[in-house]
Amino acid sequence: SQQGEEDPQALSIQEGENATMNCSYKTSINNLQWYRQNSGRGLVHLILIRSNEREKHSGRLRVTLDTSKKSSSLLITASRAADTASYFCATNNNDMRFGAGTRLTVKP
Amino acid sequence: NAGVTQTPKFRVLKTGQSMTLLCAQDMNHEYMYWYRQDPGMGLRLIHYSVGEGTTAKGEVPDGYNVSRLKKQNFLLGLESAAPSQTSVYFCASSRGQGRVYNEQFFGPGTRLTVL
Repeated sequence: SQQGEEDPQALSIQEGENATMNCSYKTSINNLQWYRQNSGRGLVHLILIRSNEREKHSGRLRVTLDTSKKSSSLLITASRAADTASYFCATNNNDMRFGAGTRLTVKP
Repeated sequence: NAGVTQTPKFRVLKTGQSMTLLCAQDMNHEYMYWYRQDPGMGLRLIHYSVGEGTTAKGEVPDGYNVSRLKKQNFLLGLESAAPSQTSVYFCASSRGQGRVYNEQFFGPGTRLTVL
């Protein structure tokens, strides 16, 4: 069964707006990762946050982790049309479990 | 570096036919994985390998077999294909597993249709 569950399933925003995606999970984790998938392509790793970290930044990406609530969020600031993709969270507790993803559409 | 490559990119099989999907990585990674991706389901782990000569079952292993004879290659076999195995198959590799070194690198996928 899937470990991470993303919310919302789909998100549509205008270029320049911020996009926030959430991930909830059920068991303890070593780390949580976010991946991006463009249509018809493989997944690309975006960022990894360890269980003892609360926030991490990478360029326009900001990831938070709340282990007490078993949840994580991915914020993409100043979105661009090129950010249009599906975003997946993956929880790692000796094996990786992926959620079903959030489909983000950024309109120019 | 090519990263992770998969062959073939597309394949159509008839029910009962067999085939092998090949995954190759040039990053000297110990860990390799096979996933399937179905609409609305995310990725589900089929089998994985923690090193040359070793394999282990993942979440959905039934109907599939794997082999890791060389460190750089991970083969996924379907002995008798079924329509339920219609999916997109992704191979991935990682340096390690655990808290730090398990960023996974994915191949471009193989789209398999079983009629």
